[in-house]
Amino acid sequence: EIMMTQSPATLSVSPGERATLSCRASQSVSSNLAWYQQKPGQAPRLLIYAASTRATGVPARFSGSGSGTEFTLTISSLQSEDFAVYYCQQYNNWWTFGQGTKVEIK
Amino acid sequence: QVQLVESGGGVVQPGRSLRVSCVASGFTFSGHGMHWVRQAPGKGLEWVAVVSFDGSNKFYADSVKGRFIISRDNSKNTLFLQMNSLGTDDTAVYYCARQVGSGVYYHDSWGQGTLVTVSA
Repeated sequence: EIMMTQSPATLSVSPGERATLSCRASQSVSSNLAWYQQKPGQAPRLLIYAASTRATGVPARFSGSGSGTEFTLTISSLQSEDFAVYYCQQYNNWWTFGQGTKVEIK
Repeated sequence: QVQLVESGGGVVQPGRSLRVSCVASGFTFSGHGMHWVRQAPGKGLEWVAVVSFDGSNKFYADSVKGRFIISRDNSKNTLFLQMNSLGTDDTAVYYCARQVGSGVYYHDSWGQGTLVTVSA
């Protein structure tokens, strides 16, 4: 099973600031990596697939990068609606998720 | 627009069974593989099972293999998860999710989830 490790567990950021979230795979997943956003009481929402492609309707302030085992989600200027938990998911070999990064208001 | 609506969750005793459902609308259900993903209270996401577009192929996470059965009825645009021999570790919100992609697949649409609580 491919293990996905996200860091940090919690990220405290002020509105308007940049947030950088990391995700590491235990073995290469090529570019088969997705990012999801989840708010309390809601289902996950697809943000990024293929490591760097924004899903339909996702604002341009969200960007993804990386390949192989190291990936990054960047939110260029945090808006109030962006405070949530973010999960990475590899879909190269079955499907596994990271444990999540909570982005909270500083 | 794509809509997935789960139902059937509830409280069940350990060792008993429960079936949850997911009704799909807004897309051609029979053209997509479908998944169940679960989330224990306060925890992260765990993939549970997948069924191919026509129901002919099914795969499961090791944690549920031999106990859970995924199925679908394309005539009713409905996905099912039959859960047997339930244990307290199966307590979670169960989400259905649509898969998209080419060769490799990710989840682009999710239902709102249905809560299954396994408790004596």
